[in-house]
Amino acid sequence: DIQMTQSPSTLSASVGDRVTITCRASQSISSWLAWYQQKPGKAPKLLIYKASSLESGVPSRFSGSGSGTEFTLTISSLQPDDFATYYCQQYNSLWTFGQGTKVEIK
Amino acid sequence: EVQLVESGGGLVQPGRSLRLSCAASGFTFDDYAMHWVRQAPGKGLEWVSGISWNSGSIGYADSVKGRFTISRDNAKNSLYLQMNSLRAEDTALYYCAKAPSITIFSQPFDYWGQGTLVTVSS
Repeated sequence: DIQMTQSPSTLSASVGDRVTITCRASQSISSWLAWYQQKPGKAPKLLIYKASSLESGVPSRFSGSGSGTEFTLTISSLQPDDFATYYCQQYNSLWTFGQGTKVEIK
Repeated sequence: EVQLVESGGGLVQPGRSLRLSCAASGFTFDDYAMHWVRQAPGKGLEWVSGISWNSGSIGYADSVKGRFTISRDNAKNSLYLQMNSLRAEDTALYYCAKAPSITIFSQPFDYWGQGTLVTVSS
């Protein structure tokens, strides 16, 4: 099974900050990686697919990069609506999520 | 507008069964693969099962294999999850999720329902 490890688990940041979240796969997954945003009491929302493709309707301040085993999600200028938990997901072999990164207000 | 509405959750004793349903609308249901994903209280996301557009490809997480059965009725625009031999560790919010393609493989999940809560406890 492919394991996904996100870092950090929690991130404290201020509005306007540039934020980067890292996701590592236990084996190569090519570019078969997605990022989701989840707010309390809500369903996850797809942000990025195929490592770097922005889902329709998602603000351009979100971007993804990486391939193989190392991936990053970057929020270029954190907005109040972005405080949430972010999950990476591999879909190269079945589906596995990272443990999540909570972005909280500093 | 894509809508996925789960139902069928509740409190159930260990060892018993429960059947979850997901009613889909706003898209051509039989053009897309579908999945179930769960989230234990305060925890992360865990993929449970997926089914292709025509039920020809089905997959299960090891944690539920042999106990859960996924199915779909394209005429009724509905997805199901039959859960047998339930355990305390199956307690979670169960989400129905749509894939952006007819195949379950190599695809993320582009729409999610709001979930239905399953609690397994005596």
